[in-house]
Amino acid sequence: DIQMTQSPSSLSASVGDRVTITCRASETINSYLNWYQQHPGKAPKVLIYAASNLQSGVPSRFSGSGSGTDFTLTINSLQPEDFATYYCQQTFRTPRTFGQGTKVE
Amino acid sequence: QAQLVQSGSELKKPGASVKISCKASGYTFTSYPVNWVRQAPGQGLEWMGWINTNTGDPTYGQDFTGRYVVSLDTSVNTAYLQISSLKPDDTAIYYCARDKGVYRFTHLHYYMDIWDEGTTVTVSS
Repeated sequence: DIQMTQSPSSLSASVGDRVTITCRASETINSYLNWYQQHPGKAPKVLIYAASNLQSGVPSRFSGSGSGTDFTLTINSLQPEDFATYYCQQTFRTPRTFGQGTKVE
Repeated sequence: QAQLVQSGSELKKPGASVKISCKASGYTFTSYPVNWVRQAPGQGLEWMGWINTNTGDPTYGQDFTGRYVVSLDTSVNTAYLQISSLKPDDTAIYYCARDKGVYRFTHLHYYMDIWDEGTTVTVSS
């Protein structure tokens, strides 16, 4: 299986901060990488697909970059509703493994 | 609008079976695969597998073979996840999610664009 490792596991931030979360794959996955946001008690929601494509309706302060094995999710000017847990997921090969999550608090 | 609606919470005893449903509406059910994702209490997301809603062919993650069966009833636009021989470790929220495919530079990428709020399965004696 392809292992996905996110860092950090958690971070403390304030409204208005710029936040960066990284995701590393154990082997190359080209750009087959999605980012999801999950609030407590809620279903995940896709933010970014194919590494850098913003899902419709997602605020432009979210952006994704990377290719190969290293990827980044950036949140510019963190808003109160952005405090959540973020997951990366590779879709290069099944099983479509997730990272362990990054909690932004 | 397109949506998925899952069946309600389940409380089961160890050794029993459970069958969770995921009913689609607002789109052509057979045009999009359906994924299943597990989230144990306080834990992260685990991709369990997905089913091709056009052919009915399922694909399972390595940790989800044997006791897990994903199936369809296209006459009612519904996907199912059945888990047999339940164990306390199966206690989790189970999500179904639609798989959307898009082309980027000739490559087909999939992502889960529609989710329901999940079905909580509790396994306890």
